[in-house]
Amino acid sequence: AQKVTQTQTSISVVEKTTVTMDCVYETRDSSYFLFWYKQTASGEIVFLIRQDSYKKENATVGHYSLNFQKPKSSIGLIITATQIEDSAVYFCAIPSNYNVLYFGSGTKLTVEP
Amino acid sequence: EAAVTQSPRNKVAVTGGKVTLSCNQTNNHNNMYWYRQDTGHGLRLIHYSYGAGSTEKGDIPDGYKASRPSQENFSLILELATPSQTSVYFCASGAGGDYAEQFFGPGTRLTVL
Repeated sequence: AQKVTQTQTSISVVEKTTVTMDCVYETRDSSYFLFWYKQTASGEIVFLIRQDSYKKENATVGHYSLNFQKPKSSIGLIITATQIEDSAVYFCAIPSNYNVLYFGSGTKLTVEP
Repeated sequence: EAAVTQSPRNKVAVTGGKVTLSCNQTNNHNNMYWYRQDTGHGLRLIHYSYGAGSTEKGDIPDGYKASRPSQENFSLILELATPSQTSVYFCASGAGGDYAEQFFGPGTRLTVL
């Protein structure tokens, strides 16, 4: 079965700095995708970025990037030049059959001015 | 326009009562999901469906039923609501394939007294 662990409950950073959120996962699949989602203060959940396990290159979307370390079963989310509006809860997830997602418990990011 | 909608957005129910949470998607996705979110647990899967007429149990299906009468609609039914089912419920839709992200509804806050 798939499993995702996020050990950082909350992180606080100053605006315009870089933050990294950790995520480790368990899977028996040889090929898989990994996802990060963002939940805003209003409760809205949106997809941010995904990583294909077959690709060595780390995915990048805007000021979000991933640090994929397959031997360590680790997929960190990096946010550069953080903005106040990046304050949210970030979830790491791995899919199973029928794209059912298994989520970590989330990391709450607070970006302060 | 929002592609995944949920109704009601807030619901207060009495113990032992029947509750139906509705979800509608206009993404034409085959797969739909019901998750619940509780503090410290992230999102946990209750039921999912891979097409009209199908429902499958997720990780925490006890006390819940699901119905998928059409491609667009997916309902979650609590026949005998209990206080332990007080939570925020999210519906999501997704295309087939483990590369595909899910699109979430705005959530329903359910309180069972």
